Amino acid sequence: GDSVTQMEGPVTLSEEAFLTINCTYTATGYPSLFWYVQYPGEGLQLLLKATKADDKGSNKGFEATYRKETTSFHLEKGSVQVSDSAVYFCALSPNFGNEKLTFGTGTRLTIIP
Amino acid sequence: DGGITQSPKYLFRKEGQNVTLSCEQNLNHDAMYWYRQDPGQGLRLIYYSQIVNDFQKGDIAEGYSVSREKKESFPLTVTSAQKNPTAFYLCASSDYNQPQHFGDGTRLSIL
Repeated sequence: GDSVTQMEGPVTLSEEAFLTINCTYTATGYPSLFWYVQYPGEGLQLLLKATKADDKGSNKGFEATYRKETTSFHLEKGSVQVSDSAVYFCALSPNFGNEKLTFGTGTRLTIIP
Repeated sequence: DGGITQSPKYLFRKEGQNVTLSCEQNLNHDAMYWYRQDPGQGLRLIYYSQIVNDFQKGDIAEGYSVSREKKESFPLTVTSAQKNPTAFYLCASSDYNQPQHFGDGTRLSIL
């Protein structure tokens, strides 16, 4: 079945550092890929998405590129801020629609001033 | 404001009791979902519904039940058959070909 493997945390960085959180997936066909962010005590918010190979999703300075050849969707940000501290989830859906999401285990990110 | 409302935010259950978690959305979405989140395990799908009066089991449906009598509502009942119900429960909804939107969750604890 479908699965998502993401970089284990926790990850601690200094403010303005470069961020990479790795995510790889296993799926049949052509899944859609997502990054969600969860702030303490809250639900998940969609951060960015990509629906086909070589698509780049971007939002709030975060980027991720759908790499079919390496089955990856790594999350990157050039300069992190304290407000980026949260848990980040990589997820996939078989089709971009009313299909269930398969999630990675989440990566807790802490940014120190 | 459009969104998904989950209530209550915190819920306590005694052993042997059924409890129902509420999820309401005013986004006019056709599909709704329930996920369970445990520490270090990500989210796992319990049930989902793509249309009123129809729903399907997810990966961990045992010990749970749902109904979908109205488009905007998708309540989840955690029955006494669920042996380890302590978790954070998240409801989501989506429109066709659109990403899922999540509520703020309900944290269920056993007394």
